[in-house]
Amino acid sequence: DSGVTQTPKHLITATGQRVTLRCSPRSGDLSVYWYQQSLDQGLQFLIQYYNGEERAKGNILERFSAQQFPDLHSELNLSSLELGDSALYFCASSVVERTYEQYFGPGTRLTVT
Amino acid sequence: GQSLEQPSEVTAVEGAIVQINCTYQTSGFYGLSWYQQHDGGAPTFLSYNGLDGLEETGRFSSFLSRSDSYGYLLLQELQMKDSASYFCAVMGDYKLSFGAGTTVTVRA
Repeated sequence: DSGVTQTPKHLITATGQRVTLRCSPRSGDLSVYWYQQSLDQGLQFLIQYYNGEERAKGNILERFSAQQFPDLHSELNLSSLELGDSALYFCASSVVERTYEQYFGPGTRLTVT
Repeated sequence: GQSLEQPSEVTAVEGAIVQINCTYQTSGFYGLSWYQQHDGGAPTFLSYNGLDGLEETGRFSSFLSRSDSYGYLLLQELQMKDSASYFCAVMGDYKLSFGAGTTVTVRA
């Protein structure tokens, strides 16, 4: 158990819908990262927040957005969902702003039907 | 950007040694790290090499050659629980970029 929590564990929704994934980092961690893992794309970095501010962006679609709140938890919002958005979404956290050592949560498995 | 190449799968028997190679191309290299992921689970940090040479952590060792843009993860005394996917990753511009992963299957 990494100490990072993610909810929900599973999510099934229809195309065109909007969902919100939630992540609580390890106690004391200021940095939160979001990743998407699909069979054909591997583990892809989406976005990073550090102490409430956006720090880095990866291949995140415009339909996706995220934020980190004052209590340091983070939410990833996915809208106008498409079949291709079906994937595992991981949140990771770390104490510092940039590090190779990140602690991953258990993930949210999103299925878009 | 970053690109990493690693073999897609490796199979070995219990007690054997497996080496997973990783070659990378990246701007602003800060080091090579390795993660383990069991099927359906979360990636778990294994090791990091910031300088050339070998880092040993129990049965696992990791090596880096910056001049060759190459590294490897060595799994020794393989156990059934080592069956998992292993990812190399490089850090650049605040982003951790992962290779496609190597699936290691350990047979009895």
